[in-house]
Amino acid sequence: DSGVTQTPKHLITATGQRVTLRCSPRSGDLSVYWYQQSLDQGLQFLIQYYNGEERAKGNILERFSAQQFPDLHSELNLSSLELGDSALYFCASSVGQGEETQYFGPGTRLLVL
Amino acid sequence: AQKITQTQPGMFVQEKEAVTLDCTYDTSDPSYGLFWYKQPSSGEMIFLIYQGSYDQQNATEGRYSLNFQKARKSANLVISASQLGDSAMYFCAIINTGGFKTIFGAGTRLFVKA
Repeated sequence: DSGVTQTPKHLITATGQRVTLRCSPRSGDLSVYWYQQSLDQGLQFLIQYYNGEERAKGNILERFSAQQFPDLHSELNLSSLELGDSALYFCASSVGQGEETQYFGPGTRLLVL
Repeated sequence: AQKITQTQPGMFVQEKEAVTLDCTYDTSDPSYGLFWYKQPSSGEMIFLIYQGSYDQQNATEGRYSLNFQKARKSANLVISASQLGDSAMYFCAIINTGGFKTIFGAGTRLFVKA
């Protein structure tokens, strides 16, 4: 158990819908990272937050947004969902904002029908 | 731009033998970190080992060691005394202090034979 929690574990929804994925980092970690893992794209970095502020942005679509709240938990919002958004979404956390070990949560498996 | 290359899509190893999983990287940033993660069939991502670009010694964590050759830009993972439970997907990743973007390789699937 990495100490990072993610909810829900599984999510099934329809195209055009909006969903919210939630992540709680390990105690003491200030950075939260979001990743998308799909069969065709592999593991893709989406976005990083550090202590409530956006720190780095990767291949995140405009239909996707994220935020980190004062209690350091983070949410990833996915809207206007398409079939291709079906993937495993991971959250990870680390103590600081640099090149440190990232500990991954168990992931949320999203299926868009 | 950063890049991670794992050239071995799949590898087989006999139980109790050692195996090396290859990883090469490309970055123009002088400061970076290299990671290896294991992803079993259950899907979770398990941190294995970390190597900082300025670390003089190769990282080791139990049966895992990282063969870091900075000039060649390679960071191969060595698993000693393979166990059946080592069968999984293994990912190499890099993060630098420039953009803070973490880049993962395509992964190597390791099969340990009894």
